[in-house]
Order: sequence, then structure tokens, then C-alpha cells
Amino acid sequence: DQQVKQNSPSLSVQEGRISILNCDYTNSMFDYFLWYKKYPAEGPTFLISISSIKDKNEDGRFTVFLNKSAKHLSLHIVPSQPGDSAVYFCAASRTLSSGSARQLTFGSGTQLTVLP
Amino acid sequence: DGGITQSPKYLFRKEGQNVTLSCEQNLNHDAMYWYRQDPGQGLRLIYYSQIVNDFQKGDIAEGYSVSREKKESFPLTVTSAQKNPTAFYLCASRETANYGYTFGSGTRLTVV
Repeated sequence: DQQVKQNSPSLSVQEGRISILNCDYTNSMFDYFLWYKKYPAEGPTFLISISSIKDKNEDGRFTVFLNKSAKHLSLHIVPSQPGDSAVYFCAASRTLSSGSARQLTFGSGTQLTVLP
Repeated sequence: DGGITQSPKYLFRKEGQNVTLSCEQNLNHDAMYWYRQDPGQGLRLIYYSQIVNDFQKGDIAEGYSVSREKKESFPLTVTSAQKNPTAFYLCASRETANYGYTFGSGTRLTVV
């Protein structure tokens, strides 16, 4: 049962245009969402996050939108640059039953390729 | 510099052998996690530990074991019972007050 889904395994965009990466989730207990960027043979690095009480968070060229009623979030990159080419993972966080413990559930990732 | 160190970066194992992947952090984080990544799949949780001397199974714990004797260290043993161990393994840690994880650079395990 995939609780976090990224339905597009790959996305190609032209340099300078907008990249939109999508993510859907099913578990209403998720209350915080994060995007990670990953290069081959490296660990993921944190990119941007959003709390479930907000609908938008912006950081430079990166903006994350959350539609809680639709259980959908998206990451917008404007303008896209060749260095943005990587796998992007959506992750959702929830509190576990054991008090302060939290767990991230990851989507399957989207390979973004920005063409020069 | 604070961070998470995973070693080795590449590891080859013969079928039927146990192998241990190292994960060390100097971030003073309480929680540590092990994930596995397979091609075309997301990161799946193997084990996690919230405090020293305590750990919990994740979604795919079968064939794996861990220990948490020190706050800084969370080694993962891939046992011969793990049917398909070839994968990219990622260790992560989290500060209690934060939602996100800090990841190590990963270990690529190949069974030959």
C-alpha cells in the first residue's frame, strides 16, 4: 500500500522553463511534507518543506504547494537550470504511536532532466 | 563538519554471508534510520531507533538486524536470510525538534 505516490517517474523540461513535480498521499495523519533531491550514488538532500497548516512555501526558485483536501502537493522550480537535473523525492511525515517518534514515508521519486 | 558517515561506499558479498554496514553521526541526533532504495522505487524503511539501546522494525525488516549501543552509531547487518540484498542502503538521522532527516551518502551492496 503506497501511502505516498509520485506517478511520473520522469520529467524533461527546457532550461529556463518551469518544472512541476507532483505528489499524492493517502494517509490523513501526515502533517508535514518535504522534498528531497538526490544525485546518483549520493544520499538525498533536503530541499524544501511545508506544514499541513499552510498551502504554500517559497524558497528562492523553489515553491511547494499543498492542497490538503485533494491530498496533493507539488514542487515548482522556476526557472529550471541544468544543475537541477536529479531525482526528486516527495516525503510525508507523521508522528508514530510512541510519543515523539516521527517517520518519513517516501514516494518513488521523479527523475527531472533539464535540457540546456 | 557535522554529518553522517556511511562505510564502505561499495560492498560485495557472497551469497550466504552476513555483512555489516556502518553508520556514524556526529550531529548529536537522537533518532537514526536505515532505508533501502531499489531502482524505480522509493526509500523503504528497514529499522529505526529513537534512543540508545532501543530500535524498532520498519516496513521491510526481515533479513536485517541492527544495534544501537551508542548514540553516534547505528550499524545494519544484512543476514543470509535476506533474499534479495542487492540494493543501495541509506542511513539517516533526525534531531528530535525537526521533521526532516539528514542522510549519509549511502552504501551500494552487491551480492555476487
